[in-house]
Amino acid sequence: AQKVTQTQTSISVMEKTTVTMDCVYETQDSSYFLFWYKQTASGEIVFLIRQDSYKKENATVGHYSLNFQKPKSSIGLIITATQIEDSAVYFCAMREGGTGGYKVVFGSGTRLLVSP
Amino acid sequence: DMKVTQMPRYLIKRMGENVLLECGQDMSHETMYWYRQDPGLGLQLIYISYDVDSNSEGDIPKGYRVSRKKREHFSLILDSAKTNQTSVYFCASSPNRGISNERLFFGHGTKLSVL
Repeated sequence: AQKVTQTQTSISVMEKTTVTMDCVYETQDSSYFLFWYKQTASGEIVFLIRQDSYKKENATVGHYSLNFQKPKSSIGLIITATQIEDSAVYFCAMREGGTGGYKVVFGSGTRLLVSP
Repeated sequence: DMKVTQMPRYLIKRMGENVLLECGQDMSHETMYWYRQDPGLGLQLIYISYDVDSNSEGDIPKGYRVSRKKREHFSLILDSAKTNQTSVYFCASSPNRGISNERLFFGHGTKLSVL
């Protein structure tokens, strides 16, 4: 069964610094897709970035990037030049490929607080 | 307009009452989901629907059932609600284009309190 684990409950950083959030996953599939979502204070959940398991290059979108370490089953989210508005809860998620591959499993989330 | 709409946003029910949570999307997405969110537990999958009348249990289906009679509409039903079903419920959708790397689009959630 697929599983996603985020061990960092909360992180506090100063504005304009770089932060890394950890995520490890378990899957029996050779093909899978990893996602990061952000939940704002209003409760809205938005998609940030995705990594396909068969791609070696780390995904990057704006000031978000991923550190994909396949042998360690790890997908870290890196936010550079953090801003106050990056304060939110960040969820890691995984979707397995294949014919049954529409189930999406989430980690428990990491709360990020960015201070001025 | 690419929206997932959940109704109602807030709901208070008494234990034993029936609860209907509704979700609609305007993107013709085949796949739809119901999750619940509790503090420290992240999002837990209740049910997934692959299209009309094609539903599958998620990780925590006990105490819930779903209905999908139109592609754009997915309902979550709690028959005889229990206090431990107090939670925030999120609906999500995604396209099914033969690959599994599509992102989810989320609704704004329904906060349900069962007293």
